[in-house]
Amino acid sequence: QVQLVQSGAEVKKPGSSVKVSCKASGGTFSTYGVSWVRQAPGQGLEWMGRIIPVFGTTHYAQKFQDRVTITADESTSTVHMELSSLTSEDTAVYYCARGIASMGVHFDHWGPGTLVTVSS
Amino acid sequence: QSVLTQPPSASGTPGQRVTISCSGSSSDIGSYYVFWYQQLPGAAPKLLIYRDSERPSGVPDRFSGSKSGTSASLAISGLRSEDEADYYCAAWDGSLPRPSGVFGGGTKLTVL
Repeated sequence: QVQLVQSGAEVKKPGSSVKVSCKASGGTFSTYGVSWVRQAPGQGLEWMGRIIPVFGTTHYAQKFQDRVTITADESTSTVHMELSSLTSEDTAVYYCARGIASMGVHFDHWGPGTLVTVSS
Repeated sequence: QSVLTQPPSASGTPGQRVTISCSGSSSDIGSYYVFWYQQLPGAAPKLLIYRDSERPSGVPDRFSGSKSGTSASLAISGLRSEDEADYYCAAWDGSLPRPSGVFGGGTKLTVL
């Protein structure tokens, strides 16, 4: 049974960048899609973008198009999400989620989340 | 503002049946499958319903999903205290030039 293991909490300054990783433990990403979904404190879920590692195909939400980069390293079964030009509004828990790529927002495995705090 | 519209709250007593609605458009719910996620306090979301109405193994048949046109619903029958959680609908939005995933704003279910 695959588990998604995420990197640890981060504290960043406004204007800087953060890179969060998501490793598939006990399995691979294979032909699945891996999305990043964030949740600001007390708020709902927000889809940021995804990658289909076997093809290298990416889709990004319009809101994050200019600031987010999602990459995959198949040799280590790890997906990375880098978000730049951080502001306090980027303070949130960032989840990676794996699912059947052809179904878009099918996520049957979720990481535990990584808290990113943006503060001066 | 979320692309998919859900009521912010819902409630029911144990044993009751409650429904949560999710409204979208022709480019998302009207064209793609709907998924439902349950998020318990302090936990990551969990897949509850996929492909509009199918349940992953392990999800009780008290949970059911349906879709008609550009709207979808999640029904929970025989409500239990452990069902108290936030529920989110999601769908793919095929709008060009940038297809993307979209979530509803979430519905907080309270079991009275």
